[in-house]
Amino acid sequence: GAGVSQSPSNKVTEKGKDVELRCDPISGHTALYWYRQRLGQGLEFLIYFQGNSAPDKSGLPSDRFSAERTGESVSTLTIQRTQQEDSAVYLCASSLGRGRGVAGELFFGEGSRLTVL
Amino acid sequence: AQRVTQPEKLLSVFKGAPVELKCNYSYSGSPELFWYVQYSRQRLQLLLRHISRESIKGFTADLNKGETSFHLKKPFAQEEDSAMYYCALRRYGGSQGNLIFGKGTKLSVKP
Repeated sequence: GAGVSQSPSNKVTEKGKDVELRCDPISGHTALYWYRQRLGQGLEFLIYFQGNSAPDKSGLPSDRFSAERTGESVSTLTIQRTQQEDSAVYLCASSLGRGRGVAGELFFGEGSRLTVL
Repeated sequence: AQRVTQPEKLLSVFKGAPVELKCNYSYSGSPELFWYVQYSRQRLQLLLRHISRESIKGFTADLNKGETSFHLKKPFAQEEDSAMYYCALRRYGGSQGNLIFGKGTKLSVKP
């Protein structure tokens, strides 16, 4: 596709259930990021994938959160045993790589809005 | 620790007035700084980056290493500039690199 695609766009779940959020990056983009945006808050970094390097998981808030990426394509963010404080918009972004300049520009998806009841 | 601070959560100006959205950063290395913008019902997108030294939609931002600032400026605000603006710092080190965002400033331009 022409841009970063995320699904589902909206997800309502009950506390304690597991959820999976999917991100399709722009073809050819080796870097992929997940961010969380809580209501009224800024962007909170969660995890970063770059090619075949070990992912930077330093932003994951707890061990209930995990993410995978198959090669340089689709990524899935999984939240286990969801809590109400997990309610947020989860944004995915991709870029050409980690180099300076043009390659550093991030292209964002429209986000997945998660509501935990 | 690397940090990006946007002190104003909300900035409201009248059309035609100058606008300055503040951004300060802390980073021990050589930073790469960006401004991203999110218009209503649109995706977050890049507005400008400091290494390009460009003016986009009338906005400019100068990196001041002495003051560790990267303020976004426009001499005459327009209503269509109303949006959420995020300052971001890209750090490099080892095998990792990620973009750290500030909490954002909501700009409201009144007619």
